[in-house]
Amino acid sequence: DADVTQTPRNRITKTGKRIMLECSQTKGHDRMYWYRQDPGLGLQLIYYSFDVKDINKGEISDGYSVSRQAQAKFSLSLESAIPNQTALYFCATSDETSDANTGELFFGEGSRLTVL
Amino acid sequence: QKEVEQDPGPLSVPEGAIVSLNCTYSNSAFQYFMWYRQYSRKGPELLMYTYSSGNKEDGRFTAQVDKSSKYISLFIRDSQPSDSATYLCAMSAPPNEKLTFGTGTRLTIIP
Repeated sequence: DADVTQTPRNRITKTGKRIMLECSQTKGHDRMYWYRQDPGLGLQLIYYSFDVKDINKGEISDGYSVSRQAQAKFSLSLESAIPNQTALYFCATSDETSDANTGELFFGEGSRLTVL
Repeated sequence: QKEVEQDPGPLSVPEGAIVSLNCTYSNSAFQYFMWYRQYSRKGPELLMYTYSSGNKEDGRFTAQVDKSSKYISLFIRDSQPSDSATYLCAMSAPPNEKLTFGTGTRLTIIP
């Protein structure tokens, strides 16, 4: 099983619908992130959480919300989806206590969202 | 101007060639530099990590950082079809803070 699991992997929805993307991890990491990837724009940070009680906005948080339900679970919601939120979404984790201190991110396999 | 600029490619080279991938950046506070590799339909995975200026070698891969020029490079020697992927540079200041990613270069190695 993957260390960072995202569901659903693919979703097609309509404008105005509420969508939730879920992420769970078995790595035991405290830090979790949601990124959006678009062609030509790279990875953009939406929200991040350094522990269960900590939520922070990233570069492009407008139109999104998150919930950190437990150390291992971090969900991303689109309250009212719009077509320009069509993208590939990635959840990632990192370990602040890593001896290597690289800040390495461990990514899930992505959730492809299409908003019609 | 973006903080990190990366040529999106696509880049196609024959098997066995030396590949050079590059990023430039504008934030002089960046100290930690990474290269991620992303295969199709997968999430990115860390390939190389370097701190400050200098070179780091790992098998067929060499990462170079020139902080004076704000320029980083990834070299792939004896390229293989399995190296076909999108390569993203990423950097941060200090460690374990938010990474800033380049847009990624799509590389294809032709057998």
